[in-house]
Amino acid sequence: KAGVTQTPRYLIKTRGQQVTLSCSPISGHRSVSWYQQTPGQGLQFLFEYFSETQRNKGNFPGRFSGRQFSNSRSEMNVSTLELGDSALYLCASSLRTGNGEQYFGPGTRLTVT
Amino acid sequence: AQKVTQAQTEISVVEKEDVTLDCVYETRDTTYYLFWYKQPPSGELVFLIRRNSFDEQNEISGRYSWNFQKSTSSFNFTITASQVVDSAVYFCALTRGNTGKLIFGQGTTLQVKP
Repeated sequence: KAGVTQTPRYLIKTRGQQVTLSCSPISGHRSVSWYQQTPGQGLQFLFEYFSETQRNKGNFPGRFSGRQFSNSRSEMNVSTLELGDSALYLCASSLRTGNGEQYFGPGTRLTVT
Repeated sequence: AQKVTQAQTEISVVEKEDVTLDCVYETRDTTYYLFWYKQPPSGELVFLIRRNSFDEQNEISGRYSWNFQKSTSSFNFTITASQVVDSAVYFCALTRGNTGKLIFGQGTTLQVKP
């Protein structure tokens, strides 16, 4: 089975711009979660989607949003980028929501200049 | 509130040494799940193990073993006869029974020298 794929792998944006990151889960997985990883804050949960519905949301400003499509693919969007948004954004998929094992993709490295 | 603490920021060992990575968690839930993930330099988090709060049996998988003790709220990870390929950042994580939100510790960087 193919693993979780994320596109693009690397991205450079300018402050004030917006960005959309994409995640394709493992085939058959219906739950997708997003995490932000920075040296200072570590790994922080952004949101979780299951069957196109947002199940949980972390403590991030409204500039961070996401959605999930009927084929379980997910996108996250960050508007009005700030320097502090520079991070590795990781997507994880799971068969079900809740206690399921989450399998991570390689991440998208976003640099905001 | 839930919290995971990995007090060891960095550990350096010589190949073939055994090494234990500590993980202490805090939660008021009776049903919860604990995880260990490995993050090699490539950046992708690799799932290692999941353990639910009702199963305190220790687990061994090859050179890896895990010790779960609810009495001390710890879920420690031991690598026996470490190898250079074990060099990575290791994360312990916690989630409640009804949510996929993983709460991660700060991670322990393990360096295994030849």
